[in-house]
Order: sequence, then C-alpha cells, then structure tokens
Amino acid sequence: DGGITQSPKYLFRKEGQNVTLSCEQNLNHDAMYWYRQDPGQGLRLIYYSQIVNDFQKGDIAEGYSVSREKKESFPLTVTSAQKNPTAFYLCASSIDRQSYSNQPQHFGDGTRLSIL
Amino acid sequence: SQQGEEDPQALSIQEGENATMNCSYKTSINNLQWYRQNSGRGLVHLILIRSNEREKHSGRLRVTLDTSKKSSSLLITASRAADTASYFCATVPLLYTGANSKLTFGKGITLSVRP
Repeated sequence: DGGITQSPKYLFRKEGQNVTLSCEQNLNHDAMYWYRQDPGQGLRLIYYSQIVNDFQKGDIAEGYSVSREKKESFPLTVTSAQKNPTAFYLCASSIDRQSYSNQPQHFGDGTRLSIL
Repeated sequence: SQQGEEDPQALSIQEGENATMNCSYKTSINNLQWYRQNSGRGLVHLILIRSNEREKHSGRLRVTLDTSKKSSSLLITASRAADTASYFCATVPLLYTGANSKLTFGKGITLSVRP
C-alpha cells in the first residue's frame, strides 16, 4: 500500500545533540512538508520542499534543517540550536506540482521527540 | 498567527447524535480543508471545499462554506464512537499559486462520542 512512513515513532534527545527524523513516501508525490504539533495546538510548518534538491523555510525553521536528495525522502534534523524540541513531528506529502493549491496533504503517523 | 480558528474547542455528544463544528478564518481563501486526527496518529484528510463552492458531502460528512462570513462548518451525522478524534480546519490563501505549503491549520476541536 502507498503511504508515508515516519521513523522512529519515539525519539529522545540529549542536551547538545542533533537528531534526525526520517520521512519516506511511496506515493510519487512531488511536495513534502514537516510540521510541528504542540499539545492543544494546531500544526506549524517547519520546512517544505516542492522538488528534489530544493526546499524552503516555513514559519518556524530556526533550529531545524532538512535535505531533499531523493523524491521519496525528506529527513528533518533537529539541531542543538532548537532549545525547545519536545513536540510531535508530522511529515506530509502532496501531489502535482502543476496545481498544488487544490490537493490534500497525506500525513505519516508522526515522531514524538522528547528531551532526556 | 492562526488563520483558522475552530469552535467549540471541545465537544462531547452521545452516539447517534449529530456533531457540528465551526471554523472561522481571517483572510480570503482559495480553499478550506478539514482533517481528522486520532490520538497519537497523523492527520487524515476528510474533505476539501473550494471558495466558489457552498456545500459538499462525503458519506456522513457535510461541509458548508460562507465566504462572506469567512466561516465553515463540518457536520457529522449519526455519530459513532469511532468518530472520537480531533478535527482541524486548514486554509489555503486566495492568492497563493504555488505549492500547498501555506496550508494553515487551526488549533483543532476535540470530539468525544459516548457509546
């Protein structure tokens, strides 16, 4: 079945450590996104990518980095510069670079990141 | 800032009753989407309504859009315990012609359906 796979499901970060969250999709979607969700809050956009080897900052990019070397993969690194990383991280993808604005996003099941 | 704001924040109903959730937004939109999130899971797309549409149906779901009031409602008829989840509205700005990256989410409504 096609879908988006995020791993790991749970992740713990030590002080000063960078951690990388994986996101893989086999939907052949062009666009991929990373969101952060805090308790009782909506989703906030961290980074997005419309095409391989290209990505843009979202609303809360500070302390995060991404890469898009393959169409299927969009890993997110939470760096030590992100002082409050504890949150639920969601990856999403959507189809069709020609008419993005009317396409829904498909989500993975998230990674919950906590500080040790 | 949040573009979409849902109302109420929490809703508790008996199985079989209808659930109505509202969403208001601030700026003109291209389309509005509703998503569901079960506890600890990702979001699932429910329905998309374009700015030139007033009403859409999908199974037990009915969505309305009033662009003059900048509001939308999601109605779930004959609710079931399995409908227990958080529901989010999300908007795409009118003038956005590129990627769907500017999908802006509200804080969500927690729906509890009692068996």
